[in-house]
Amino acid sequence: TQLLEQSPQFLSIQEGENLTVYCNSSSVFSSLQWYRQEPGEGPVLLVTVVTGGEVKKLKRLTFQFGDARKDSSLHITAAQPGDTGLYLCARLQGAQKLVFGQGTRLTINP
Amino acid sequence: DAGVIQSPRHEVTEMGQEVTLRCKPISGHNSLFWYRQTMMRGLELLIYFNNNVPIDDSGMPEDRFSAKMPNASFSTLKIQPSEPRDSAVYFCASSFNGNTIYFGEGSWLTVV
Repeated sequence: TQLLEQSPQFLSIQEGENLTVYCNSSSVFSSLQWYRQEPGEGPVLLVTVVTGGEVKKLKRLTFQFGDARKDSSLHITAAQPGDTGLYLCARLQGAQKLVFGQGTRLTINP
Repeated sequence: DAGVIQSPRHEVTEMGQEVTLRCKPISGHNSLFWYRQTMMRGLELLIYFNNNVPIDDSGMPEDRFSAKMPNASFSTLKIQPSEPRDSAVYFCASSFNGNTIYFGEGSWLTVV
């Protein structure tokens, strides 16, 4: 099994601060997905990264895929309380089977 | 547009009872997934269907779990008999041709 390790597991910061969370593995991936899950809801896809070294931006969120396609990071600038949630990375195993990391539980304090 | 619809949202049941969770995928989607989420094990795929046919059920924990998809707009996940360790949030999700997967809001199951 090709595990995805996410760090940190928990992160609590003040509104306005910047943060980075990580998704790492020993295996090469064809692509990687990032999801956000808010309390009481299902995960929602934020972005898919495919190419080594790729950087994608979604407003204040910046996603990067490592050059070797074994790791990815999510950077949030000027965090807001609405960014609170569980951030999950996931990879495809086979055609449609998504395998998730354990997630980073992020809390942004006003 | 309606998303993936799951029922019940919450269920509390006694050990040994049968539990049936229901899912209506997004109209037109041809793949349906059942996931389970716990604090200890995270989000795990139990089974998925493509065009109503089970493709991969390797994540189904044991024979107490079964899933069916009698038509393109309905699926069930059944646990019989239920045990306390089955307590979790069960998510149904759907997609079209392997594209973006959309999750329902989950069914929160507590077995006491």
